[in-house]
Order: sequence, then structure tokens, then C-alpha cells
Amino acid sequence: DVKVTQSSRYLVKRTGEKVFLECVQDMDHENMFWYRQDPGLGLRLIYFSYDVKMKEKGDIPEGYSVSREKKERFSLILESASTNQTSMYLCASRPGQVLGAYEQYFGPGTRLTVT
Amino acid sequence: AQKITQTQPGMFVQEKEAVTLDCTYDTSDPSYGLFWYKQPSSGEMIFLIYQGSYDQQNATEGRYSLNFQKARKSANLVISASQLGDSAMYFCAMREVTTDSWGKLQFGAGTQVVVTP
Repeated sequence: DVKVTQSSRYLVKRTGEKVFLECVQDMDHENMFWYRQDPGLGLRLIYFSYDVKMKEKGDIPEGYSVSREKKERFSLILESASTNQTSMYLCASRPGQVLGAYEQYFGPGTRLTVT
Repeated sequence: AQKITQTQPGMFVQEKEAVTLDCTYDTSDPSYGLFWYKQPSSGEMIFLIYQGSYDQQNATEGRYSLNFQKARKSANLVISASQLGDSAMYFCAMREVTTDSWGKLQFGAGTQVVVTP
């Protein structure tokens, strides 16, 4: 069974802290994605990666960085957390370079609160 | 500019009735795919159904069907015979195939559906 896991379901951090959100997939997928979800805005892409050590900015990369040292693991880093980064963070994965209908598989999400 | 528009923030539907969730999209890419996801209160995103821009027939998956009207750029989700377990947030998403090699999705704001007994 396809599985994407995220390190925490709930996280509370203080302003200015460095925050790591971890995502692991067991499907040998090349492509991995980080989204944030906010009410009324849907999901917005922060960063994605199409191979180990390869990354691309999404629509809202400011204030975030990512790391992909192993194919199965994709980390989102908040260098200095701010209250406007309080949100739900969703990780997803997908095989690379496939045609047709291939959906992204999502993790359960991490609800981050920055105080 | 918003590429996926879901105009219904929320709706109530009675059990066993059908419900239509609206989705319009904006793209100049001739090759694209449209997805619907369901997000229950637990938070996980569940893939429901897919429609490709060149598909001749509307997609169906069990109680879910996609009413694809290409000229109007609309891809409405129809859930037949609603069940209490259908209560969730529903997201419409699009992938622009020609301009994106990676399978990136653009999401709408979502529609919250509450099914009542």
C-alpha cells in the first residue's frame, strides 16, 4: 500500500525557532512536494523536488527551504519561524516523468502553530 | 491569477441526495489534467477522480462522476446518493502537462460539504 508519512501531526513552535518538517515515502517516487493549506486559499506549492539534491521553488517559497538527501525523504525547513507560517503543511509524492492520470499521494499533514 | 475557481465555500446536502460541486479552470495549455481530492476532518487528502483534457468521455468512479465541459472550462464533481461519510472538504486541482514535467498541481480554495441525515 502506498504510504507517505510526516513526522508530526501537530507542532507548536516559538517565533524565531528553526523548524524541520519531515516527509518520507515508501513508493520509490522521484517527485516530492510541499504545500501549505490555509482556509479560503486551498493548497499552495512551496517547493518540490524531482531527484535527490534537486529542488525547485513553487509559488510561495519565501521563508522556507528544503532538503532532499535521500530519495525517500524530503524535508521542509523554516529557518526562522514566524506567526504567519502558522498553517497546515502537506507533503506529497508522485512518480517522475509519467504520462496520463497519475495523482499525487499525500501525507496526513502537519498542523504547525507558531506563537 | 487564480487558475482554479471553486465558487461554493460550503454546502449542505441531505443523505441519499446527489450533490454537484463546481469547478472552473483557466489554462491555455491544450494538454491538462483535472483532479478531485477529498479531505475529511482527519486531514489526509484522498484522490477521487481524474479527467484528461483529451478524454472523450466524462470520468466516473463509483458514486463520483466528473461533468467535464471543455468549452466552458468547467469540471464539476457529482456525488450521487450522498452518505454521511461524504462530509469533507473537496478540492479541484489541475496539472498543465505541456508546461510542467513534474506533475505539479494547482488547487482551488475548496468546498466544504456537510451531509445531514
